[in-house]
Amino acid sequence: LAKTTQPISMDSYEGQEVNITCSHNNIATNDYITWYQQFPSQGPRFIIQGYKTKVTNEVASLFIPADRKSSTLSLPRVSLSDTAVYYCLVGTYSGYSTLTFGKGTMLLVSP
Amino acid sequence: NAGVTQTPKFQVLKTGQSMTLQCAQDMNHNSMYWYRQDPGMGLRLIYYSASEGTTDKGEVPNGYNVSRLNKREFSLRLESAAPSQTSVYFCASSESGNLPLDGYTFGSGTRLTVV
Repeated sequence: LAKTTQPISMDSYEGQEVNITCSHNNIATNDYITWYQQFPSQGPRFIIQGYKTKVTNEVASLFIPADRKSSTLSLPRVSLSDTAVYYCLVGTYSGYSTLTFGKGTMLLVSP
Repeated sequence: NAGVTQTPKFQVLKTGQSMTLQCAQDMNHNSMYWYRQDPGMGLRLIYYSASEGTTDKGEVPNGYNVSRLNKREFSLRLESAAPSQTSVYFCASSESGNLPLDGYTFGSGTRLTVV
């Protein structure tokens, strides 16, 4: 599976849009991209998943360029409650696989 | 509420003691997983069960055993606890390991301290 690289930490203020970029240069044709969110003392929570172009749900948007070597998680108008660790993961459509979590990006939202 | 339930939430063990962490899901998922998370680290896969009746090693299986008791339950056993096993343990489940479009559902974790 492709290795992912994302910033260790990011800071933002309430009401701002936050974009977290993840690079996955070795992504394969059968791979998809998934993002998880983890609050302190809780297990990770699935946020969004995509293969190419743009995916949007009630929580976030995921932008994937044509070459798929990176992806950007976009959180609109963050609030204090969006302070969490965000993980970018790559999984495969081809057969059974498990998810490998890196260290993620610690997002701190301040008033 | 549907989800993944882990017990206990907290546990302190002495070195050499044994214990079993319990996990149950009520979403009729086929696959279940055990991860550990150490401070400042991501989650590392210990063992997983792709389907009822099967178990496989993950990235860090040494010192652990698992049992897929039935489709709902997947337990993790520490036979002889060591301080290096101090961690937060998360159980997760997914409909399957093939194209998990809805992702994994995680429990709230068990915080284990081995002294």
